[in-house]
Amino acid sequence: EVQLVESGGGLVQPGGSRRLSCAASGFTVSNNYMSWVRQAPGKGLEWVSVIHRGDTTYYADSVKGRFTISRDNSKNTLYLQMNSLRGDDTAVYYCARGTYDFWSGYFPVVWGQGTLVTVSS
Amino acid sequence: SSELTQDPVVSVALGQTVRITCQGDTLRSYYASWYQKKPGQAPILVIYGKNNRPSGIPDRFSGSTSGDTASLTITGAQAEDEADYYCNSRDNNVNPVFGGGTKLTVL
Repeated sequence: EVQLVESGGGLVQPGGSRRLSCAASGFTVSNNYMSWVRQAPGKGLEWVSVIHRGDTTYYADSVKGRFTISRDNSKNTLYLQMNSLRGDDTAVYYCARGTYDFWSGYFPVVWGQGTLVTVSS
Repeated sequence: SSELTQDPVVSVALGQTVRITCQGDTLRSYYASWYQKKPGQAPILVIYGKNNRPSGIPDRFSGSTSGDTASLTITGAQAEDEADYYCNSRDNNVNPVFGGGTKLTVL
């Protein structure tokens, strides 16, 4: 069974750092398009980052230069390193496995349950 | 980056048909995928590509595109379909983009 389990959320002070993890089972992260999507309280879904099978990455303008997506193939785990956190980064962060085709672009197919990151003093 | 615009709120009577729309220039060239999102739950992919449903998604869900507008149609809406729905597509630089979401109320 394909499964994604996020961890690493919690309360962080503004300006602080946090690393989110997404442990995958039932498939290999290295062979898939993987992403992070977030949802701030009362807001819609927002793209954060995508890592392609060939390690090409995408970052939303709102996190570019502050967040880094990576994966550890030996642990079959996806990560999101978040630095210089701000209040508007407060959100539930979802890890997702997706697919890509030219006519649709990248779209997530399987999602984790999410982990809440709260940035507050 | 491109924008995808959705009506914030849509309502439908139980058992009736409802269309949720997503408008954007890039939809003239590319397909939208659609996600159902309920509070406290992970999003679920309900439609992708021209009009494809993942395994387990009821056939009352369908997708279509006309011009710059993609639509998600629910034929015979059920109480459990009450949720937020998001469209997703790509821009000309292959960057992904979500619509702002539509809150569907089933009356």
